[in-house]
Amino acid sequence: AQSVAQPEDQVNVAEGNPLTVKCTYSVSGNPYLFWYVQYPNRGLQFLLKYITGDNLVKGSYGFEAEFNKSQTSFHLKKPSALVSDSALYFCAVRDTQGSGNTGKLIFGQGTTLQVKP
Amino acid sequence: DGGITQSPKYLFRKEGQNVTLSCEQNLNHDAMYWYRQDPGQGLRLIYYSQIVNDFQKGDIAEGYSVSREKKESFPLTVTSAQKNPTAFYLCASSILAGGNDQPQHFGDGTRLSIL
Repeated sequence: AQSVAQPEDQVNVAEGNPLTVKCTYSVSGNPYLFWYVQYPNRGLQFLLKYITGDNLVKGSYGFEAEFNKSQTSFHLKKPSALVSDSALYFCAVRDTQGSGNTGKLIFGQGTTLQVKP
Repeated sequence: DGGITQSPKYLFRKEGQNVTLSCEQNLNHDAMYWYRQDPGQGLRLIYYSQIVNDFQKGDIAEGYSVSREKKESFPLTVTSAQKNPTAFYLCASSILAGGNDQPQHFGDGTRLSIL
Protein backbone atom coordinates (compact mmCIF):
# COMPACT_ATOMS: atom_id res chain seq x y z
CA ALA A 1 0.00 0.00 0.00
CA GLN A 2 1.14 3.52 -0.69
CA SER A 3 1.83 5.70 2.32
CA VAL A 4 3.54 8.80 3.66
CA ALA A 5 5.12 9.16 7.09
CA GLN A 6 6.13 12.29 8.96
CA PRO A 7 7.97 10.91 11.95
CA GLU A 8 7.97 14.11 14.02
CA ASP A 9 4.77 15.58 15.47
CA GLN A 10 6.61 18.81 16.24
CA VAL A 11 9.88 20.47 15.29
CA ASN A 12 11.28 23.34 17.31
CA VAL A 13 13.94 25.67 15.92
CA ALA A 14 15.35 29.07 16.79
CA GLU A 15 14.84 31.95 14.38
CA GLY A 16 17.74 32.22 11.96
CA ASN A 17 18.71 28.57 12.29
CA PRO A 18 18.20 26.05 9.48
CA LEU A 19 15.13 23.84 9.68
CA THR A 20 14.29 20.38 8.42
CA VAL A 21 10.88 18.69 8.42
CA LYS A 22 11.13 15.00 7.61
CA CYS A 23 9.02 12.92 5.24
CA THR A 24 9.37 9.35 4.01
CA TYR A 25 7.16 7.64 1.47
CA SER A 26 6.25 4.24 0.12
CA VAL A 27 4.91 3.93 -3.42
CA SER A 28 5.03 1.55 -6.32
CA GLY A 29 6.63 3.18 -9.33
CA ASN A 30 7.88 6.76 -9.59
CA PRO A 31 6.85 9.05 -6.74
CA TYR A 32 5.14 12.40 -7.25
CA LEU A 33 5.73 14.31 -4.03
CA PHE A 34 4.31 17.54 -2.61
CA TRP A 35 4.71 19.77 0.44
CA TYR A 36 1.94 21.99 1.82
CA VAL A 37 1.74 24.48 4.70
CA GLN A 38 -1.34 25.22 6.81
CA TYR A 39 -1.82 28.24 9.06
CA PRO A 40 -4.47 28.14 11.82
CA ASN A 41 -8.05 28.00 10.54
CA ARG A 42 -6.88 28.18 6.92
CA GLY A 43 -6.65 25.76 4.01
CA LEU A 44 -3.46 24.12 2.80
CA GLN A 45 -1.09 26.17 0.65
CA PHE A 46 1.09 24.45 -1.92
CA LEU A 47 4.84 24.95 -1.33
CA LEU A 48 6.67 22.74 -3.82
CA LYS A 49 6.65 19.46 -5.70
CA TYR A 50 9.04 16.81 -6.99
CA ILE A 51 8.19 15.05 -10.22
CA THR A 52 11.51 14.23 -11.84
CA GLY A 53 14.93 15.75 -12.44
CA ASP A 54 17.07 17.55 -9.84
CA ASN A 55 16.90 16.08 -6.37
CA LEU A 56 16.82 19.55 -4.79
CA VAL A 57 13.54 21.32 -5.47
CA LYS A 58 12.99 24.99 -4.70
CA GLY A 59 9.60 26.34 -3.75
CA SER A 60 7.74 29.25 -2.21
CA TYR A 61 8.85 31.42 0.76
CA GLY A 62 12.47 30.22 0.57
CA PHE A 63 11.64 26.57 1.19
CA GLU A 64 13.32 23.72 -0.62
CA ALA A 65 13.10 19.95 -0.44
CA GLU A 66 15.60 17.19 -1.03
CA PHE A 67 14.49 14.01 -2.77
CA ASN A 68 16.46 10.89 -1.90
CA LYS A 69 15.37 7.81 -3.82
CA SER A 70 17.51 5.30 -1.93
CA GLN A 71 16.17 6.48 1.43
CA THR A 72 12.65 7.08 0.04
CA SER A 73 12.67 10.50 1.68
CA PHE A 74 11.58 14.01 0.73
CA HIS A 75 12.65 16.30 3.56
CA LEU A 76 11.60 19.96 3.62
CA LYS A 77 14.36 22.45 4.40
CA LYS A 78 14.97 26.14 4.84
CA PRO A 79 18.40 27.69 5.46
CA SER A 80 17.19 30.34 7.90
CA ALA A 81 13.90 29.98 9.77
CA LEU A 82 11.51 32.87 10.46
CA VAL A 83 9.00 33.14 13.28
CA SER A 84 6.35 33.51 10.58
CA ASP A 85 7.24 30.00 9.30
CA SER A 86 5.53 28.57 12.39
CA ALA A 87 2.68 26.45 11.01
CA LEU A 88 1.54 22.89 10.27
CA TYR A 89 3.35 21.20 7.37
CA PHE A 90 2.05 18.29 5.32
CA CYS A 91 3.92 15.98 2.98
CA ALA A 92 1.86 14.18 0.31
CA VAL A 93 2.37 11.65 -2.46
CA ARG A 94 0.26 11.14 -5.54
CA ASP A 95 -1.95 8.03 -5.27
CA THR A 96 -1.17 6.15 -8.47
CA GLN A 97 -2.97 2.92 -7.62
CA GLY A 98 -5.83 1.94 -9.88
CA SER A 99 -6.50 3.07 -13.42
CA GLY A 100 -6.38 6.60 -14.70
CA ASN A 101 -5.33 9.84 -13.03
CA THR A 102 -7.69 10.70 -10.19
CA GLY A 103 -5.47 13.46 -8.84
CA LYS A 104 -5.76 11.91 -5.39
CA LEU A 105 -3.09 12.59 -2.80
CA ILE A 106 -2.06 10.59 0.25
CA PHE A 107 -1.13 12.91 3.11
CA GLY A 108 1.16 12.44 6.07
CA GLN A 109 -0.09 13.20 9.57
CA GLY A 110 1.48 16.65 9.58
CA THR A 111 4.35 18.23 11.52
CA THR A 112 3.97 21.37 13.59
CA LEU A 113 6.90 23.72 13.13
CA GLN A 114 7.55 26.12 15.98
CA VAL A 115 10.13 28.84 15.34
CA LYS A 116 11.10 30.76 18.45
CA PRO A 117 12.55 34.29 18.42
CA ASP B 1 -8.71 36.19 -8.54
CA GLY B 2 -9.19 32.51 -9.23
CA GLY B 3 -9.66 30.24 -6.28
CA ILE B 4 -11.82 27.99 -4.17
CA THR B 5 -14.54 29.42 -1.96
CA GLN B 6 -15.97 27.46 0.94
CA SER B 7 -18.97 28.66 2.89
CA PRO B 8 -19.91 29.13 5.59
CA LYS B 9 -16.68 29.45 7.57
CA TYR B 10 -18.42 28.24 10.75
CA LEU B 11 -21.48 25.99 10.94
CA PHE B 12 -23.42 24.52 13.81
CA ARG B 13 -25.55 21.41 13.60
CA LYS B 14 -28.30 20.21 15.87
CA GLU B 15 -28.80 16.54 16.61
CA GLY B 16 -30.63 14.75 13.78
CA GLN B 17 -30.10 17.58 11.32
CA ASN B 18 -28.52 17.44 7.87
CA VAL B 19 -26.25 20.32 6.89
CA THR B 20 -24.69 21.22 3.55
CA LEU B 21 -21.24 22.73 3.08
CA SER B 22 -20.65 24.72 -0.07
CA CYS B 23 -17.55 24.54 -2.29
CA GLU B 24 -17.19 26.60 -5.46
CA GLN B 25 -14.12 26.93 -7.72
CA ASN B 26 -13.44 29.25 -10.64
CA LEU B 27 -10.16 27.63 -11.64
CA ASN B 28 -11.76 25.46 -14.34
CA HIS B 29 -10.34 22.40 -12.58
CA ASP B 30 -11.61 18.98 -13.51
CA ALA B 31 -11.45 17.23 -10.17
CA MET B 32 -12.75 18.21 -6.75
CA TYR B 33 -12.23 16.64 -3.32
CA TRP B 34 -13.61 16.80 0.19
CA TYR B 35 -11.41 16.12 3.22
CA ARG B 36 -12.07 15.94 6.92
CA GLN B 37 -9.35 17.19 9.28
CA ASP B 38 -9.26 16.20 12.94
CA PRO B 39 -6.46 17.16 15.34
CA GLY B 40 -3.52 14.79 15.04
CA GLN B 41 -5.07 12.77 12.21
CA GLY B 42 -4.07 14.67 9.13
CA LEU B 43 -6.47 14.82 6.18
CA ARG B 44 -8.89 12.02 5.40
CA LEU B 45 -10.63 11.82 2.02
CA ILE B 46 -14.43 11.76 2.14
CA TYR B 47 -15.47 11.95 -1.54
CA TYR B 48 -13.94 13.00 -4.82
CA SER B 49 -15.18 13.75 -8.31
CA GLN B 50 -13.22 13.66 -11.56
CA ILE B 51 -16.02 14.84 -13.82
CA VAL B 52 -19.50 16.34 -13.71
CA ASN B 53 -22.25 13.94 -12.64
CA ASP B 54 -19.76 11.39 -11.32
CA PHE B 55 -18.14 10.94 -7.91
CA GLN B 56 -16.45 8.24 -5.85
CA LYS B 57 -16.26 7.40 -2.19
CA GLY B 58 -13.06 8.10 -0.34
CA ASP B 59 -11.83 6.51 2.85
CA ILE B 60 -14.54 7.81 5.21
CA ALA B 61 -17.70 8.34 3.11
CA GLU B 62 -20.21 6.91 5.59
CA GLY B 63 -22.61 9.58 6.84
CA TYR B 64 -21.79 11.97 4.00
CA SER B 65 -23.21 12.64 0.53
CA VAL B 66 -22.14 14.82 -2.40
CA SER B 67 -23.31 15.97 -5.82
CA ARG B 68 -21.49 17.33 -8.86
CA GLU B 69 -24.09 18.92 -11.12
CA LYS B 70 -21.75 21.67 -12.31
CA LYS B 71 -18.02 21.68 -12.89
CA GLU B 72 -17.61 24.62 -10.51
CA SER B 73 -19.56 23.23 -7.57
CA PHE B 74 -19.15 20.24 -5.25
CA PRO B 75 -21.38 20.56 -2.15
CA LEU B 76 -21.01 18.16 0.77
CA THR B 77 -23.97 17.15 2.94
CA VAL B 78 -23.26 15.90 6.43
CA THR B 79 -26.21 13.70 7.28
CA SER B 80 -27.64 12.76 10.65
CA ALA B 81 -26.05 9.33 10.15
CA GLN B 82 -22.63 10.91 10.77
CA LYS B 83 -22.43 10.53 14.53
CA ASN B 84 -19.27 12.52 15.08
CA PRO B 85 -19.36 15.38 12.58
CA THR B 86 -17.39 17.93 14.57
CA ALA B 87 -14.32 18.64 12.43
CA PHE B 88 -12.67 21.04 10.00
CA TYR B 89 -13.78 20.30 6.42
CA LEU B 90 -11.57 21.18 3.48
CA CYS B 91 -12.46 21.27 -0.20
CA ALA B 92 -9.81 21.03 -2.91
CA SER B 93 -9.57 20.92 -6.69
CA SER B 94 -6.99 19.97 -9.28
CA ILE B 95 -6.31 19.72 -12.99
CA LEU B 96 -6.22 16.16 -14.27
CA ALA B 97 -4.95 16.64 -17.82
CA GLY B 98 -1.21 16.38 -18.35
CA GLY B 99 -0.32 13.75 -15.80
CA ASN B 100 0.35 13.35 -12.12
CA ASP B 101 2.30 16.54 -11.47
CA GLN B 102 -0.54 18.94 -10.73
CA PRO B 103 -1.01 19.95 -7.07
CA GLN B 104 -4.35 20.22 -5.38
CA HIS B 105 -5.57 23.71 -4.47
CA PHE B 106 -7.50 24.18 -1.24
CA GLY B 107 -10.24 26.40 0.08
CA ASP B 108 -10.10 27.93 3.57
CA GLY B 109 -12.33 25.34 5.17
CA THR B 110 -15.58 25.12 7.11
CA ARG B 111 -15.53 24.35 10.82
CA LEU B 112 -18.57 22.28 11.80
CA SER B 113 -19.64 21.93 15.42
CA ILE B 114 -22.48 20.17 17.20
CA LEU B 115 -24.89 22.22 19.33
